Amino acid sequence: EAGVAQSPRYKIIEKRQSVAFWCNPISGHATLYWYQQILGQGPKLLIQFQNNGVVDDSQLPKDRFSAERLKGVDSTLKIQPAKLEDSAVYLCASSLTGTEEKLFFGSGTQLSVL
Amino acid sequence: SQQGEEDPQALSIQEGENATMNCSYKTSINNLQWYRQNSGRGLVHLILIRSNEREKHSGRLRVTLDTSKKSSSLLITASRAADTASYFCATGSSGDMRFGAGTRLTVKP
Repeated sequence: EAGVAQSPRYKIIEKRQSVAFWCNPISGHATLYWYQQILGQGPKLLIQFQNNGVVDDSQLPKDRFSAERLKGVDSTLKIQPAKLEDSAVYLCASSLTGTEEKLFFGSGTQLSVL
Repeated sequence: SQQGEEDPQALSIQEGENATMNCSYKTSINNLQWYRQNSGRGLVHLILIRSNEREKHSGRLRVTLDTSKKSSSLLITASRAADTASYFCATGSSGDMRFGAGTRLTVKP
């Protein structure tokens, strides 16, 4: 069974530029999560999708971050414009139904904003 | 905001010793999960304990949950160098899963 796929693996951009991350969850998983993990900290939930609907985006900085999961499968997270403090690893995770069973994580995208 | 908080922040032990990590949380939960993260990798699920359970075992892992104290502990017995990683607790109450800051475990060979 294929795991959660994320790309790119690394990204370096200048501040005020835009960047996009892609995630393909495990086939059949209804729930998809985006987390931000700053170095030395735990993952912070940015947004949770159930199929193609948003369940929770209370911690998503909506002035610069956006995310979509149009067909209820893969998802894109965008930052525009990026700030220095956005430097972090962006992790995508999926679960079968979203009723708090275990999450499967991708390897993440490491973003450096210079 | 983060939900669980792990303690200690860092732990260093010798191979063969046991490692105990604690997690405290603030609100009511349906379940609590523990994850491991090796450096530069994503998180891997270790064990899930539901709010009506008090103890659970999986191989060398033992998890306890005390809902009255809003706390959980993860015990790794007979640790190995390969157990070196960060360990996070995660709590869910309405479908979302929120993580603590983690415990960095170093197992010296």
